Amino acid sequence: KQEVTQIPAALSVPEGENLVLNCSFTDSAIYNLQWFRQDPGKGLTSLLLIQSSQREQTSGRLNASLDKSSGRSTLYIAASQPGDSATYLCAVRSGGYQKVTFGIGTKLQVIP
Amino acid sequence: GAVVSQHPSWVICKSGTSVKIECRSLDFQATTMFWYRQFPKQSLMLMATSNEGSKATYEQGVEKDKFLINHASLTLSTLTVTSAHPEDSSFYICSARDRERPNYNSPLHFGNGTRLTVT
Repeated sequence: KQEVTQIPAALSVPEGENLVLNCSFTDSAIYNLQWFRQDPGKGLTSLLLIQSSQREQTSGRLNASLDKSSGRSTLYIAASQPGDSATYLCAVRSGGYQKVTFGIGTKLQVIP
Repeated sequence: GAVVSQHPSWVICKSGTSVKIECRSLDFQATTMFWYRQFPKQSLMLMATSNEGSKATYEQGVEKDKFLINHASLTLSTLTVTSAHPEDSSFYICSARDRERPNYNSPLHFGNGTRLTVT
């Protein structure tokens, strides 16, 4: 059974700082890994999708890496802004039915 | 592109009544839609997989008769919470997969969720 862990559970940083969010998964036989952002009481916004054959994806100030063999992914946010404050979720697609397993998320607060 | 609309965004109902939540893919066709439930400070838990034209596949521990899922068209899936109880209060989110993208390659597109409160 796939398990996804996200560390830290919460993070508070001053504006402008670069930061790294971590995601680990127990079953390395994945199809892809997706990072999402969730604002309070809202749905999920997809940030980056990394296929199992890829090592990283970039979008603006965001960079996600994937090390499938070690079961890890990181989301790097450069020059953080108050608008980046949200919960960031990591989701892994794996298994015979391609189920998606979510981590509990990292709640990020960027202080102006 | 790839917009998923979920309605209503919030609903309050009395215990014992039924509530229907709609999930629509607006600019793509979705043969498969997924329903998730999220409790406070917990991760999203998959409840069921909805396939157009066939019965939904429920995850272990999810009551089929309580959470009725219908996927009657390529752009609409509905989740009906029957005989709702306060413990059903939660945040329900749907997602859809674009039928034009290969399964292993496609991202999931999510609706904005429905906050259900049962009094």
